[in-house]
Amino acid sequence: AQTVTQSQPEMSVQEAETVTLSCTYDTSESNYYLFWYKQPPSRQMILVIRQEAYKQQNATENRFSVNFQKAAKSFSLKISDSQLGDTAMYFCAFMNYGGATNKLIFGTGTLLAVQP
Amino acid sequence: GAVVSQHPSWVICKSGTSVKIECRSLDFQATTMFWYRQFPKQSLMLMATSNEGSKATYEQGVEKDKFLINHASLTLSTLTVTSAHPEDSSFYICSARGSRGQQRTDTQYFGPGTRLTVL
Repeated sequence: AQTVTQSQPEMSVQEAETVTLSCTYDTSESNYYLFWYKQPPSRQMILVIRQEAYKQQNATENRFSVNFQKAAKSFSLKISDSQLGDTAMYFCAFMNYGGATNKLIFGTGTLLAVQP
Repeated sequence: GAVVSQHPSWVICKSGTSVKIECRSLDFQATTMFWYRQFPKQSLMLMATSNEGSKATYEQGVEKDKFLINHASLTLSTLTVTSAHPEDSSFYICSARGSRGQQRTDTQYFGPGTRLTVL
């Protein structure tokens, strides 16, 4: 069974600085997707970034980028120029490739606080 | 694009009553919808997966008769909590995944959630 581990329950960063959130996963599959979702205090889950495992290039989305290390089964999220609005719970998630009902496997989350 | 709505956003009910929560995909056809439950400061717990026009698949430990799921159309799924009790109080979140136009999307998009309080 696939598992997702986020080893940092809480993190703090100063506004405008850079922070990296860690995520590791375990799977025997070769094709899959990885995601980072954020959940701000409003509790709305928002997709931050998505990575297909077959793509070697790391995904980027404005200030958000990932370091995808397939062999190490690591998928960290880097937030550059942190803003107060980045304060949220961040969840790393895994999904098998293909199949209409494939489920998201979530990590336990990292609570990020951006300090002014 | 990829907007999912949920209604109501907040509901209080008396113990023993039933509550229905609606989940709608507003700008795409959701072939698959998911229902989650989230306790404070915890991750999302998948309750069930539903495909349009077929019976939902429930996760182990989730009572089918208590949490009724209907996915009658490509844009609407409902979760009915039957004979609700205080222990059913929680935050319920739906998500949807499907095809947008000619391009299949394998990303789940989430609704804003429903806070259920059972007195």
